[in-house]
Amino acid sequence: AQKVTQAQTEISVVEKEDVTLDCVYETRDTTYYLFWYKQPPSGELVFLIRRNSFDEQNEISGRYSWNFQKSTSSFNFTITASQVVDSAVYFCALPFSGGYNKLIFGAGTRLAVHP
Amino acid sequence: GAGVSQTPSNKVTEKGKYVELRCDPISGHTALYWYRQSLGQGPEFLIYFQGTGAADDSGLPNDRFFAVRPEGSVSTLKIQRTERGDSAVYLCASSPEGVPYNEQFFGPGTRLTVL
Repeated sequence: AQKVTQAQTEISVVEKEDVTLDCVYETRDTTYYLFWYKQPPSGELVFLIRRNSFDEQNEISGRYSWNFQKSTSSFNFTITASQVVDSAVYFCALPFSGGYNKLIFGAGTRLAVHP
Repeated sequence: GAGVSQTPSNKVTEKGKYVELRCDPISGHTALYWYRQSLGQGPEFLIYFQGTGAADDSGLPNDRFFAVRPEGSVSTLKIQRTERGDSAVYLCASSPEGVPYNEQFFGPGTRLTVL
């Protein structure tokens, strides 16, 4: 079965703190992709990153970084020096088996960054 | 360029009524997806179109739900005999092709409330 688990329902931090959002997945595929999306209060899902399963290098984009570990089936997301604008719901997602991009999403982690 | 648009942004209807939700994908995107997002949950897949045809409708909850994409561009999600449990945000997404490595571009959603 394919599944995405985001165990943290809500996280609250103060601005400038670092925060890590966890994502654990299950898949029967040997090669696959993983995604993170951000859903700000406006509601529109915004793509953040795509990672393929055969590249385990960590990725950094500004204050955002991602740690992919195939051995533990985890794809965690860290925001360094968080800002109020980072407040949103963050979703981890995995395509279903089948050759096209039908996504299964985790339940999401609501991040609140306070001034 | 223009992103994915969805109309209406909000729809309130009474139990038993028929509703249509419209999605305008990004021009040139052949893949179109409908998802449903209940409060506090991640989006759940409903149906995938590749061009004009529904390649996968396995997520439609029952035969009250139907979707079309007659010219391979605009899509309409149709719900007959609405029930209170249909209340949710309906999200549309498009991508250049229906392949696992393509990011999906999401619209702002239609919030459906069934009274």
